Amino acid sequence: GAGVSQSPSNKVTEKGKDVELRCDPISGHTALYWYRQRLGQGLEFLIYFQGNSAPDKSGLPSDRFSAERTGESVSTLTIQRTQQEDSAVYLCASSPGGANIQYFGAGTRLSVL
Amino acid sequence: GENVEQHPSTLSVQEGDSAVIKCTYSDSASNYFPWYKQELGKRPQLIIDIRSNVGEKKDQRIAVTLNKTAKHFSLHITETQPEDSAVYFCAARGGTASKLTFGTGTRLQVTL
Repeated sequence: GAGVSQSPSNKVTEKGKDVELRCDPISGHTALYWYRQRLGQGLEFLIYFQGNSAPDKSGLPSDRFSAERTGESVSTLTIQRTQQEDSAVYLCASSPGGANIQYFGAGTRLSVL
Repeated sequence: GENVEQHPSTLSVQEGDSAVIKCTYSDSASNYFPWYKQELGKRPQLIIDIRSNVGEKKDQRIAVTLNKTAKHFSLHITETQPEDSAVYFCAARGGTASKLTFGTGTRLQVTL
């Protein structure tokens, strides 16, 4: 079946603009994660959704970052008033449950000029 | 929360040699430890995982060992090949939460 799909694959924006990144998880996966990966760096946890539970937002770096997920489907990560330090690859992953294998999307490469 | 440390940050081995990457974790209740491989420009992909009720798991040239007492786990790659060159991430699932905490990654370079 289809894997985790992210769009757009690349996004170039100007400093101060808002951006919205989309993640389509694997069908039936209850858990969804967002990570940020700066060039040559590790995976920085941002937010975690598990079913209808309140999301774990402990990794969001500032109030400019927010994410939503409707049920067990699509999630959007929104970055308001983008800054140059927001430039990174944003990866989404889904899993059948919180403790299971995470399947990653190909990521969205965000460049803030 | 969980804290995962990974060493070394870079590792260069000759083709055919073995490579070992080590991780430590802080939450003694952690019970799931996956390893992901990320090739240049690609997404991370799971290569092997281990749960806390076993001490070792093998899959062809790859093995993972877990020492719960010492709170560390290691990835072993034998007979390395150039296609093993990638960044490897360890992770641990904390006992009180379901999210994974990742290590900082090890860049493995297999030279001919």
